[in-house]
Amino acid sequence: SAVISQKPSRDICQRGTSLTIQCQVDSQVTMMFWYRQQPGQSLTLIATANQGSEATYESGFVIDKFPISRPNLTFSTLTVSNMSPEDSSIYLCSVFKGDQETQYFGPGTRLLVL
Amino acid sequence: GEDVEQSLFLSVREGDSSVINCTYTDSSSTYLYWYKQEPGAGLQLLTYIFSNMDMKQDQRLTVLLNKKDKHLSLRIADTQTGDSAIYFCAEIRSNDYKLSFGAGTTVTVRA
Repeated sequence: SAVISQKPSRDICQRGTSLTIQCQVDSQVTMMFWYRQQPGQSLTLIATANQGSEATYESGFVIDKFPISRPNLTFSTLTVSNMSPEDSSIYLCSVFKGDQETQYFGPGTRLLVL
Repeated sequence: GEDVEQSLFLSVREGDSSVINCTYTDSSSTYLYWYKQEPGAGLQLLTYIFSNMDMKQDQRLTVLLNKKDKHLSLRIADTQTGDSAIYFCAEIRSNDYKLSFGAGTTVTVRA
């Protein structure tokens, strides 16, 4: 399996500010993703975090709002910029382990924007 | 519309079997997954099935896949109160490993 940690686990932020979420994996992985789960909803893919190049964003998500870094194969950050109450969600990072044919998720970061 | 569809709610008596159904649309999906999310918690991988398989059993869990109808089901035998959670069905695309999730089925186990 993969052990994934996220920081912070939760936060309450004021609108207009930014928050950077960290994701750390216990082993090197090629495929790393960021998902959002809005209250009472399913998960939506924000972007694929690419090591050594710019992230690949899904429709409806842009780099200016959700900048992502991936400096190496075990770490990534997602920033939620210029936050509004609509950004209140759980943000989860995940990794795909090809040798185990499985995608694992971190515990999530619960964000509340006031 | 959504690529993966699930019924939203299931109520089951403790000790009975639960069956959660899911349909998907991407015929190129290589793996299909079931995740469990308890209140306030993250996603726990329950089980997965490769697209060339019909069935997979893991203790109380049985996954059935009908590839022709693009239908996936998860059966939980002897359902317990600890099985109360939201269960997500997800498919993965072979070319980019992105997951598409269903809306989630909320399972409530009653005594």
